[in-house]
Amino acid sequence: SQQGEEDPQALSIQEGENATMNCSYKTSINNLQWYRQNSGRGLVHLILIRSNEREKHSGRLRVTLDTSKKSSSLLITASRAADTASYFCATSQGAQKLVFGQGTRLTINP
Amino acid sequence: DAGVTQSPTHLIKTRGQQVTLRCSPKSGHDTVSWYQQALGQGPQFIFQYYEEEERQRGNFPDRFSGHQFPNYSSELNVNALLLGDSALYLCASSLAGFLSTDTQYFGPGTRLTVL
Repeated sequence: SQQGEEDPQALSIQEGENATMNCSYKTSINNLQWYRQNSGRGLVHLILIRSNEREKHSGRLRVTLDTSKKSSSLLITASRAADTASYFCATSQGAQKLVFGQGTRLTINP
Repeated sequence: DAGVTQSPTHLIKTRGQQVTLRCSPKSGHDTVSWYQQALGQGPQFIFQYYEEEERQRGNFPDRFSGHQFPNYSSELNVNALLLGDSALYLCASSLAGFLSTDTQYFGPGTRLTVL
């Protein structure tokens, strides 16, 4: 069963706009990771945030984590056509299995 | 520095057959995890191998088995294939121990179609 639930399931925005995706999970975690997947290919690791962190940045990506609400958000600023992909959050209790949500399908329109 | 590699890229089998998928981890990594991703779904954890032993297993039947070799590469075997086994099979590698960053790096996947 999936632990993480992404919201929305699909998001379509214009190039240059910001995209925000949310993830909720059910149990306690050690860390939460965001991955990108292009057209059914392999997953690309974007960012990892640990349970004792509240916010993390990497380039145009900003991730927040609220452990009290068991939720995380991924913000992509100044979106580009190349950002079109599916985005997944995955929770972990250490270097063990990742539990993925069903993903958000992001489309950037030129 | 080679990333995670998987072979083959695509595979077509018929029901009842057996299949073997292969994975080579990222250089320096010692742990391999396998995931199954059905169309339109997120990946589901199958099992993880470390030091040539299965360390953790997800909710998959015994038809799914694996192996890890001394060079840390791994195989996923599926017996008695069912139509529902059609999916993208992803391998991920990571580093265990105190040097671990907990990040798993994924290969490009093997697309298995069962007819």
